[in-house]
Amino acid sequence: QVQLQESGPGLVKPSETLSLTCTVSGGSVSSGSYYWSWIRQPPGKGLEWIGYIYYSGSTNYNPSLKSRVTISVDTSKNQFSLKLSSVTAADTAVYYCARGGGPFYNNWFDPWGQGTLVTVSS
Amino acid sequence: SYVLTQPPSVSVAPGQTARITCGGNNIGSKSVHWYQQKPGQAPVLVVYDDSDRPSGIPERFSGSNSGNTATLTISRVEAGDEADYYCQVWDSSDHAGVFGTGTKVTVL
Repeated sequence: QVQLQESGPGLVKPSETLSLTCTVSGGSVSSGSYYWSWIRQPPGKGLEWIGYIYYSGSTNYNPSLKSRVTISVDTSKNQFSLKLSSVTAADTAVYYCARGGGPFYNNWFDPWGQGTLVTVSS
Repeated sequence: SYVLTQPPSVSVAPGQTARITCGGNNIGSKSVHWYQQKPGQAPVLVVYDDSDRPSGIPERFSGSNSGNTATLTISRVEAGDEADYYCQVWDSSDHAGVFGTGTKVTVL
């Protein structure tokens, strides 16, 4: 059974770069059947898809965040990572990693990591 | 960008049927996925591709999609179904995942 676990700093200063890693167990990020996504949820609000990466390194990002987002994959560690630059308080959220099933043009997300709260504050 | 609209809340008595709608322009031409999120927990996929259920999801959860509205139906509602529910589609124009606004289901 595939499990995902997010890790990284819980506090980031404004204008700095948020960095998170998702470690996959019970499965492989090198599987050609899946895409690996980051999704976030501001406190008390809804879900926002950030982007995904394929094991080959191919990526796709939410246009609203594209200029600030980089997602990378490390197949040797069975991990994928998120970097979000120039953060502001509006980037405070619970960040989830998730496995994307289905084709690249119709991903659904299952399973999800437990999520990690990142607060942007000085 | 593509917008998905859900009612903020739905209330239902135990044993009755809850219907949660997800509105979008010609959403019937897209595949719709649904997630359940309980307080303090990560979302869980309950329906994908309009009406398919992942393994382990009760048959009480079903989905339909036509025209401008997709619907998640929860039959024989139980107290444990109380949660937020989100619909999700893939926006082919932006090549991006899009979530609905979310619906809080309250079991009376």
